[in-house]
Amino acid sequence: KNQVEQSPQSLIILEGKNCTLQCNYTVSPFSNLRWYKQDTGRGPVSLTIMTFSENTKSNGRYTATLDADTKQSSLHITASQLSDSASYICVVSGWAGNNRKLIWGLGTSLAVNP
Amino acid sequence: KAGVTQTPRYLIKTRGQQVTLSCSPISGHRSVSWYQQTPGQGLQFLFEYFSETQRNKGNFPGRFSGRQFSNSRSEMNVSTLELGDSALYLCASSRRDRGLVPFFGPGTRLTVL
Repeated sequence: KNQVEQSPQSLIILEGKNCTLQCNYTVSPFSNLRWYKQDTGRGPVSLTIMTFSENTKSNGRYTATLDADTKQSSLHITASQLSDSASYICVVSGWAGNNRKLIWGLGTSLAVNP
Repeated sequence: KAGVTQTPRYLIKTRGQQVTLSCSPISGHRSVSWYQQTPGQGLQFLFEYFSETQRNKGNFPGRFSGRQFSNSRSEMNVSTLELGDSALYLCASSRRDRGLVPFFGPGTRLTVL
């Protein structure tokens, strides 16, 4: 069964600290993996997209890693800011028969406190 | 390049009513998907339209329907609203040749009283 699991479910950190969010998936065959940031009451905004051959991709203070062998991805946030408070969602693109499918994780809710 | 737009942004209805939500995709995107998001449930896929045809459908009752127009704009309709339909409804557009990677609109917050 195609699944995407994220951990932790929620996280509270102090401003300026680093944190790492995890995403494990069982989607096969795999096409790509994307991390989204979603502010409360708004639509998700894409942070990074990674294909099978990519190990690391950065977007400012956000760095995503992908291990296609273990089917794990992480999102590392450096020097957190209050504006990083949001839900971070991992989504994996795969195939179900002849149809391309997106399998969504439930997200990690991050709170950055002053 | 303008992003995905959704109207209205907020909506309050009562049980039994019906509602229509609208979505305009990014220019050049012909695939439009709809999602329902409720606290603790994550994004639940409703349906996807491409070239005015429904290509994929999630596990929602027939009260949820949609359509796509020739200009790729899309609408979704929910009939006989229930309290549990209160949610953020998100529209996303994508190019199928780019791996179905979606760009989301701001969403419509529907409250059913």
